[in-house]
Amino acid sequence: AQSVTQLGSHVSVSEGALVLLRCNYSSSVPPYLFWYVQYPNQGLQLLLKYTSAATLVKGINGFEAEFKKSETSFHLTKPSAHMSDAAEYFCAVTHSNYQLIWGAGTKLIIKP
Amino acid sequence: GAVVSQHPSWVICKSGTSVKIECRSLDFQATTMFWYRQFPKQSLMLMATSNEGSKATYEQGVEKDKFLINHASLTLSTLTVTSAHPEDSSFYICSASLTTPNYSTNEKLFFGSGTQLSVL
Repeated sequence: AQSVTQLGSHVSVSEGALVLLRCNYSSSVPPYLFWYVQYPNQGLQLLLKYTSAATLVKGINGFEAEFKKSETSFHLTKPSAHMSDAAEYFCAVTHSNYQLIWGAGTKLIIKP
Repeated sequence: GAVVSQHPSWVICKSGTSVKIECRSLDFQATTMFWYRQFPKQSLMLMATSNEGSKATYEQGVEKDKFLINHASLTLSTLTVTSAHPEDSSFYICSASLTTPNYSTNEKLFFGSGTQLSVL
């Protein structure tokens, strides 16, 4: 069975600091991994996805994530946080068709 | 990108009443719509998949008589929580797909902003 664990329901960083949101997965077959973001009062939107090509995936708004099979991780990073990055971030995994298995989400708080 | 409108964004109701949540794709036709629910600090859980003009497919453990899904047109799906009880209080979110989805087209999923249901 597949599962996704996001470490930390809330992460707080200062503006300009590194953003690191952690995601670990379990999957018996090669996974496809996604990061979604939900800004306040908006729908979820795709940040980036890994589908067995390059292990370092670049997404929108300066975010990137690295697939590490040995660590079963797909952590999301951004070198320098911006106030507009404040949102909730969801990691998800799938190996077949449409059914995404979701993490519980991490709320990113940016301190001025 | 495409827009999915979900209404209401929050609703409070008395126990025993029914609540309808609408999910509309505003600028595209959605062949498939999905309904999820999320309890506090837990993952989004897929409840059901609906295809326009056919009966919804419910995930194991989801009561289809309690959570009625209607996908009468390519732009509208509704979820009705019948005879709601406090344990139905949750965050419900819909998503819509442009085509029959698979992993490579998951980016074609567009999400509503969700509905927070509180049953007193």
